[in-house]
Amino acid sequence: SQQGEEDPQALSIQEGENATMNCSYKTSINNLQWYRQNSGRGLVHLILIRSNEREKHSGRLRVTLDTSKKSSSLLITASRAADTASYFCATVDRGSTLGRLYFGRGTQLTVWP
Amino acid sequence: SQTIHQWPATLVQPVGSPLSLECTVEGTSNPNLYWYRQAAGRGLQLLFYSVGIGQISSEVPQNLSASRPQDRQFILSSKKLLLSDSGFYLCAWSVYFADAGSGNTIYFGEGSWLTVV
Repeated sequence: SQQGEEDPQALSIQEGENATMNCSYKTSINNLQWYRQNSGRGLVHLILIRSNEREKHSGRLRVTLDTSKKSSSLLITASRAADTASYFCATVDRGSTLGRLYFGRGTQLTVWP
Repeated sequence: SQTIHQWPATLVQPVGSPLSLECTVEGTSNPNLYWYRQAAGRGLQLLFYSVGIGQISSEVPQNLSASRPQDRQFILSSKKLLLSDSGFYLCAWSVYFADAGSGNTIYFGEGSWLTVV
């Protein structure tokens, strides 16, 4: 399976702290994406990093990609209670022309006020 | 701008009954369309994807089926539901870019909660 696997499964922090989530995958990819899901809602795209990129920023989000280790990390700086959600990594197979994304099981992030 | 609509939002169905979930996309043409399922506390499982009208590919064998009767309409069906079909079903769409490394962002609907009793 090409599914990404997030780690940890659950993370609980205080507002203002940084949250780091990791993702590992198994085969060669075109790109890796991170999505967020509020409880009972659809997923929202956060950021996409290509296989030839090592780091990408978007606001308080920082994503790294290490293709040699087949891993990625998502860092949320200065977390807020509104960041409470599940975060999923998803990969697109190298050579894919269909845009199929394979998701992991997600990290449940809880940010306490 | 593009929008995706999915309905019904919530459904409670008895075992053995049929199922029909509908999804439509507005503001784009010839999208790739997807059906995902999310069981409680689990990740997303890709069920079906479609690259055009009448073109459906299945990822996982099951008693579900999908159809794409129009360019921006995607339907998930079952003739007889099983208890194991319970879950959160998400319709999604994407645009394919020539540079596969830059595209493939997927946009999700709000999902349909299905409980089979």
